[in-house]
Amino acid sequence: DAGVTQSPTHLIKTRGQQVTLRCSPKSGHDTVSWYQQALGQGPQFIFQYYEEEERQRGNFPDRFSGHQFPNYSSELNVNALLLGDSALYLCASSLNRGTESYYGYTFGSGTRLTVV
Amino acid sequence: AQSVSQHNHHVILSEAASLELGCNYSYGGTVNLFWYVQYPGQHLQLLLKYFSGDPLVKGIKGFEAEFIKSKFSFNLRKPSVQWSDTAEYFCAVNSWSGGYNKLIFGAGTRLAVHP
Repeated sequence: DAGVTQSPTHLIKTRGQQVTLRCSPKSGHDTVSWYQQALGQGPQFIFQYYEEEERQRGNFPDRFSGHQFPNYSSELNVNALLLGDSALYLCASSLNRGTESYYGYTFGSGTRLTVV
Repeated sequence: AQSVSQHNHHVILSEAASLELGCNYSYGGTVNLFWYVQYPGQHLQLLLKYFSGDPLVKGIKGFEAEFIKSKFSFNLRKPSVQWSDTAEYFCAVNSWSGGYNKLIFGAGTRLAVHP
């Protein structure tokens, strides 16, 4: 059990459609980060949410947006899907400890998105 | 910008062989380094991490890694691999910005261990 729950596990969408992926963080964690893992590549950072606000963002277009809810769960939305958006989307949760240097991440099993 | 390079994309070994996976990072400040493993169909799991102190870090399942600051390297090693070590291995560095951190991953090394 990863502690981080992602849904759905698999999804097939058509080009131009919109998709919403969901993530429930590990109990006790308050920060959620999203990563995109394309086939044969390492995870790429999309953005991070803490206290219901986007705190950091990677090099992804505005078509990628997110939200964090008061219970710390999070959604990743992708609009106007492209074939290149096909990937495994990973959610990672952690606990913001202020100035402490170590933030332990727990990853979910991911959502496999296929755009056709 | 920070980056992580993993030298080997695919490695094939026989059981009991020794393993060393290369990882180099590009980051000028204090680094936190990680090795993650992803077994087929499973989530990323932390193998080991380095924050400070002894540059030789022991992890789970018999893995270890050595931080060599002068070479910007954090290579993963295991003296004797097992078939169950077949997985994809990712090196990562913790990157800080505005008081928040994120992980930057390498492209990964796919390890296949044959019985």
